[in-house]
Amino acid sequence: DQQVKQNSPSLSVQEGRISILNCDYTNSMFDYFLWYKKYPAEGPTFLISISSIKDKNEDGRFTVFLNKSAKHLSLHIVPSQPGDSAVYFCAASDRGAAGNKLTFGGGTRVLVKP
Amino acid sequence: DVKVTQSSRYLVKRTGEKVFLECVQDMDHENMFWYRQDPGLGLRLIYFSYDVKMKEKGDIPEGYSVSREKKERFSLILESASTNQTSMYLCASSSGQTIFSGNTIYFGEGSWLTVV
Repeated sequence: DQQVKQNSPSLSVQEGRISILNCDYTNSMFDYFLWYKKYPAEGPTFLISISSIKDKNEDGRFTVFLNKSAKHLSLHIVPSQPGDSAVYFCAASDRGAAGNKLTFGGGTRVLVKP
Repeated sequence: DVKVTQSSRYLVKRTGEKVFLECVQDMDHENMFWYRQDPGLGLRLIYFSYDVKMKEKGDIPEGYSVSREKKERFSLILESASTNQTSMYLCASSSGQTIFSGNTIYFGEGSWLTVV
């Protein structure tokens, strides 16, 4: 049973437009959420994170929103660029647990068209 | 510059072979992890270790074992490889001394394993 789910396996968007990626989680113990970007044959690269005490975190073109009551978070990329084409993973962690392990969603493949 | 190095990028092994995937980190990190990535399933945790000689099962430990004899090295072992273990394997490490954040966990570049 997946504790972190990304229900959209793929997303296609025009360059300059907004990309919105969604993620849902079920485990109430998760208190820290992250987004990773991954190119083929490379390791994931950290993008942005948010603590459960916040509802929004912004870093340049990337903004993450957290709705704790709905157990839902989203990543907004504005404006989208062709270099953003990659697979994006949502991840969650219970920072009180030993080891700081991450639980990942299934990923969303984003294609930004020029 | 932090490095998590996975010794083999691409491997092809036969069913039933014993396979070792090695991971070395140079940041003196306490925590180390092994994940596998499969389409639609994301990254799933196989095993992790938060200290030398310590290991904890992740979400999908069946068919795998690990070894952590030294702090910098974490090995994933497939005792008898099977075709359903064909996947990309990712190693990661993080410090147990700092408050965990996205900037404190580091991934290797991955090892593509094909079992035929």
